[in-house]
Amino acid sequence: EVHLVESGGGLVKPGGSLRLSCAASGFTFSIYTMNWVRQAPGKGLEWVSSISGSGSYIFYADSVKGRFTISRDNAKNSVYLQMNSLRAEDTAVYYCVKDEADWGQGTLVTVSS
Amino acid sequence: DIQMTQSPSTLSASVGDRVTITCRASQNINNWLAWYQLKPGTAPRLLIYRASSLESGVPSRFSGSGSGTEFTLTISSLQPDDSATYHCQQYHSYPWTFGQGTKVEVK
Repeated sequence: EVHLVESGGGLVKPGGSLRLSCAASGFTFSIYTMNWVRQAPGKGLEWVSSISGSGSYIFYADSVKGRFTISRDNAKNSVYLQMNSLRAEDTAVYYCVKDEADWGQGTLVTVSS
Repeated sequence: DIQMTQSPSTLSASVGDRVTITCRASQNINNWLAWYQLKPGTAPRLLIYRASSLESGVPSRFSGSGSGTEFTLTISSLQPDDSATYHCQQYHSYPWTFGQGTKVEVK
């Protein structure tokens, strides 16, 4: 069974940084593209970033390009999202997603002074 | 980027009613479409994948259809527990994109 467990969320001031982690289990992690998707309060779903199994291919939403960095450690079955220069509009629940069927429970990021 | 246009944005129906939600893609996505149910405080629940395949454990009153650019999610007999927001998503290509959501109210 696939398990995806996010951590690292919290309250941060505008301009601050956070690093989200996602620990994966139950599948061959290194062969799957991993994704981050977020949902702001009262809003819909927004894809944030993806990284291929080898880490060779990386994509970002325009809204986070230049501020967020996705990475992975296949030895640790983990994917990360380094978030810098955070803005109020980055406030959301961030989900680690393997594919359409497998989502973590999410971690809340709140950007507020 | 592929735009996903979902309609209606809200709907209100009675228990037992048949409900249909439409999602339109700005270009051909074949059948790479998923439907999710969202409730506050919980992770998105996959209902339908590959446009028409029912996810394991999802009640059979949910069904999906369509291919190419036009897709529908149908709830054949609306139940109180179906009160939620529903989103479509294309995963034909990156960036993944989602419909704006349909809030379903059960009278």
